[in-house]
Amino acid sequence: KQEVTQIPAALSVPEGENLVLNCSFTDSAIYNLQWFRQDPGKGLTSLLLIQSSQREQTSGRLNASLDKSSGRSTLYIAASQPGDSATYLCAVGLDDYKLSFGAGTTVTVRA
Amino acid sequence: DVKVTQSSRYLVKRTGEKVFLECVQDMDHENMFWYRQDPGLGLRLIYFSYDVKMKEKGDIPEGYSVSREKKERFSLILESASTNQTSMYLCASSFYRSDNQPQHFGDGTRLSIL
Repeated sequence: KQEVTQIPAALSVPEGENLVLNCSFTDSAIYNLQWFRQDPGKGLTSLLLIQSSQREQTSGRLNASLDKSSGRSTLYIAASQPGDSATYLCAVGLDDYKLSFGAGTTVTVRA
Repeated sequence: DVKVTQSSRYLVKRTGEKVFLECVQDMDHENMFWYRQDPGLGLRLIYFSYDVKMKEKGDIPEGYSVSREKKERFSLILESASTNQTSMYLCASSFYRSDNQPQHFGDGTRLSIL
């Protein structure tokens, strides 16, 4: 069974600092890996998706890397802003349909 | 932009009631999903559907059923609501058989069973 772990559970940084969020998974046979953002009381917003054959994806200030052999993905957010405060969830694609989610990292960016 | 709309943001029901949660997507996605999200347990898949009238059990289907009569609409049914079904329910949709297409989520329904 695929286990997805996100450490730390919470992170607080001053504005302008770069954020590094970690995701680890136990089975390297993945379909893809997705990063989501969730604001309090809201649904999930897709940030980045890395296909199994890819090593990284970038969108604006966000960059996500994938190392299947070591079972790790990292989400980098450059020059953090207070608006980046949210919970970030990592999800491993198991097949055409199913995702296995981590518990998330709650980020607070202090102005 | 993809739009996944859940019919209610907040819902309060009583134990034993039959509860319907509705979800509509506007992107012609084949796949639709129902999750529940609980503190400390994360997101867990209840049911999913890959086509009209097709459904598959997820990790926690007990006490739930689903209906998909039209491609754009996926309903979650609590046959006889119980207090342990108090939770945040999230609907999602995605294209079929595509490893480069993410799931798109609605804003969720916070359901309280009293």
